[in-house]
Amino acid sequence: DAMVIQNPRYQVTQFGKPVTLSCSQTLNHNVMYWYQQKSSQAPKLLFHYYDKDFNNEADTPDNFQSRRPNTSFCFLDIRSPGLGDAAMYLCATSRESGQGGQPQHFGDGTRLSIL
Amino acid sequence: GQNIDQPTEMTATEGAIVQINCTYQTSGFNGLFWYQQHAGEAPTFLSYNVLDGLEEKGRFSSFLSRSKGYSYLLLKELQMKDSASYLCAAMDSNYQLIWGAGTKLIIKP
Repeated sequence: DAMVIQNPRYQVTQFGKPVTLSCSQTLNHNVMYWYQQKSSQAPKLLFHYYDKDFNNEADTPDNFQSRRPNTSFCFLDIRSPGLGDAAMYLCATSRESGQGGQPQHFGDGTRLSIL
Repeated sequence: GQNIDQPTEMTATEGAIVQINCTYQTSGFNGLFWYQQHAGEAPTFLSYNVLDGLEEKGRFSSFLSRSKGYSYLLLKELQMKDSASYLCAAMDSNYQLIWGAGTKLIIKP
């Protein structure tokens, strides 16, 4: 089945130790998104890619970086995780942006814990 | 600013009907989405409305009034598995989703 896959499902890291979360998709969608979601809160968009065009949200901390080496893969790098970065990180894809009505398809998420 | 409002929590009985309301304010509007999110899991797409009116999909229906900036999700014949959070998200003029915090729906036997 075509899908969005995130690895790992659960990630524990130490305060200040860099961590990378990965996302892959077999939907061949050209738009990919990274969201941060804390308990009982709305998903917060961190970045999105339209093909290789990178779009950073204005309030995304510099501590967060992203890479998209090809259509299928996208990575979220957190350079120096702080306690406030503990959250669920969601990767999503959609068909080309600029068209209403295209739903975003989510991976199962990576729950990040900071020790 | 852009904003989505929906109730924090609702309770309903198995087999009953529940309506979850959502109001939105966005810069431009390109449609409204409803997603279901079970605890600890990712959101899954339920419905999309861009024109006024009711869209029915099995036990779930979604309604939109653009003039009022208002939508609702109607769930019929509630089942225990419908216990989840329901997120409303409006698409703005840049085709970005503005998300609500979700309504936690608790189903009681």
